[in-house]
Amino acid sequence: GIQVEQSPPDLILQEGANSTLRCNFSDSVNNLQWFHQNPWGQLINLFYIPSGTKQNGRLSATTVATERYSLLYISSSQTTDSGVYFCAVSRGAQKLVFGQGTRLTINP
Amino acid sequence: DAEITQSPRHKITETGRQVTLACHQTWNHNNMFWYRQDLGHGLRLIHYSYGVQDTNKGEVSDGYSVSRSNTEDLPLTLESAASSQTSVYFCASSDSGRASYNEQFFGPGTRLTVL
Repeated sequence: GIQVEQSPPDLILQEGANSTLRCNFSDSVNNLQWFHQNPWGQLINLFYIPSGTKQNGRLSATTVATERYSLLYISSSQTTDSGVYFCAVSRGAQKLVFGQGTRLTINP
Repeated sequence: DAEITQSPRHKITETGRQVTLACHQTWNHNNMFWYRQDLGHGLRLIHYSYGVQDTNKGEVSDGYSVSRSNTEDLPLTLESAASSQTSVYFCASSDSGRASYNEQFFGPGTRLTVL
């Protein structure tokens, strides 16, 4: 099956810093999603981005499907950005395969 | 607004008991999924359904069952709860109406503890 690797596993930053999270996947996909799991455990949809680039406020994402990776950019980090960021992919039958996540801690 | 809800949000049960977790969505989505989240394993697929009367096994289906009698609901049953099934359970749904658009939306989760 598809393998999904996220890096780095942990990231600690000061408020205001920028960050880049990476997701590598082992096979072609037709769905790639980025989620933020907040400290209360909710999974928040950030981007549906099987290819191309999208931006939403301070967050943006780019997926290069031919090279099998996606990047999530967070600019001007805030403490509310803390949590775990998951990348998940699927191919064909829509069953999402999740990476292990990147735990982001933003210190004030 | 359309949404996906799960109940209960927290459940404590004893080993050997049957437990059913509810999932209800008002998106009118054909596809529904159950995942479990454990430390060190991320989220893993338990069962999924592509429509009424359709159910399929996922990566970690042993000890779990689902049934799909209508579009809105996919209850997850633990036939005989085991301590290894202590976990957080997430339900999700997606629309298969457009083959090129597969975004999944997740419920708030159910935290299950088996003593």
